[in-house]
Amino acid sequence: DSGVTQTPKHLITATGQRVTLRCSPRSGDLSVYWYQQSLDQGLQFLIQYYNGEERAKGNILERFSAQQFPDLHSELNLSSLELGDSALYFCASSVGDRDQPQHFGDGTRLSIL
Amino acid sequence: GQQVMQIPQYQHVQEGEDFTTYCNSSTTLSNIQWYKQRPGGHPVFLIQLVKSGEVKKQKRLTFQFGEAKKNSSLHITATQTTDVGTYFCAGPGGSNYKLTFGKGTLLTVNP
Repeated sequence: DSGVTQTPKHLITATGQRVTLRCSPRSGDLSVYWYQQSLDQGLQFLIQYYNGEERAKGNILERFSAQQFPDLHSELNLSSLELGDSALYFCASSVGDRDQPQHFGDGTRLSIL
Repeated sequence: GQQVMQIPQYQHVQEGEDFTTYCNSSTTLSNIQWYKQRPGGHPVFLIQLVKSGEVKKQKRLTFQFGEAKKNSSLHITATQTTDVGTYFCAGPGGSNYKLTFGKGTLLTVNP
């Protein structure tokens, strides 16, 4: 058990819809990272928050947004969903904001029908 | 931008054989991390290498960081079925805030 909690585990929705994925980091970790994993693209970094502030951005689409709340949990919002957004979305956390081992949650599997 | 390449993409071995995966970065890295993802699981942190030429061992796993800090390798001696999974290397990007993951090497082991 990594200590990182992601909900829901599975999400099935239709194109054009909006979903919210939730992540609670390990106790004591201030950084939260979001990744998208698909078969052909591997593990793609989306965005990082550290203690409530955005720290780094990867190839995150404009239709996607995230935030980290004062209690350090984070949410990833995906809107105007397309078939290609079907993937496994991982949240990870670390103590600091750089050069730290990351601890991953079990992921949310998103299926767009 | 920074690229992290891993080879091979797939490796199938007989139980007891050795296995090596290689990782190459397009830029010099301040450190490199290795993760393992079991089928159906999530990536799990294995180790972090920081120094040029560093070698670290974890039981049957040996990790090495190149002298130029642009490449790394993971070697598993006498593979077991529990070693099955995808092994990823990851290095910090230009800002050092984000990790760039290689595409991983999927290891399968025939008992």
